[in-house]
Amino acid sequence: KAGVTQTPRYLIKTRGQQVTLSCSPISGHRSVSWYQQTPGQGLQFLFEYFSETQRNKGNFPGRFSGRQFSNSRSEMNVSTLELGDSALYLCASSFSGDETQYFGPGTRLLVL
Amino acid sequence: AQRVTQPEKLLSVFKGAPVELKCNYSYSGSPELFWYVQYSRQRLQLLLRHISRESIKGFTADLNKGETSFHLKKPFAQEEDSAMYYCALSEGTSGSRLTFGEGTQLTVNP
Repeated sequence: KAGVTQTPRYLIKTRGQQVTLSCSPISGHRSVSWYQQTPGQGLQFLFEYFSETQRNKGNFPGRFSGRQFSNSRSEMNVSTLELGDSALYLCASSFSGDETQYFGPGTRLLVL
Repeated sequence: AQRVTQPEKLLSVFKGAPVELKCNYSYSGSPELFWYVQYSRQRLQLLLRHISRESIKGFTADLNKGETSFHLKKPFAQEEDSAMYYCALSEGTSGSRLTFGEGTQLTVNP
């Protein structure tokens, strides 16, 4: 099976802009979770989607949002970008959320 | 709130020596604990989870609820074990919401 894929792999934006990141889970997986990784805060949970519904949410401001489509592909959106949003954004998929999560390679976002 | 602590950011051992990566957690319920590993230029991947009680690549980890610890051990370290190791906790019922520790960079010297 193909692994979790994320697009784009690298992105440069300026403050105030918005960005959309995409994640395609492993075929058959219905749960997609998103994480932010920074040198200062480490890996932090953003949210999880299962069957097109947000099932869990981390402690991030409302500027961070996501959605999931009927084919389980997921997108996350960050509006009004701030310098502190520069990070590696990882998505992970699993069949239902309780099994092993498989991580994608990440999207590296740089906000200038 | 749950918290995972890995006290060592860096750990260096020689090939063939035993290695132990420490992980402590705080959580009021019954957590599920994991170790994830990230080799150079590779994606984050699961090494082991406590409920499976498996030994992966010679690594084992025992959940000690009394000490709230989940230390990762290997009796004889290999150079290919050099990687970043993350301890993670999930709240059991929602296994997808992982709380990660800060990570320990393990270097195994020849």
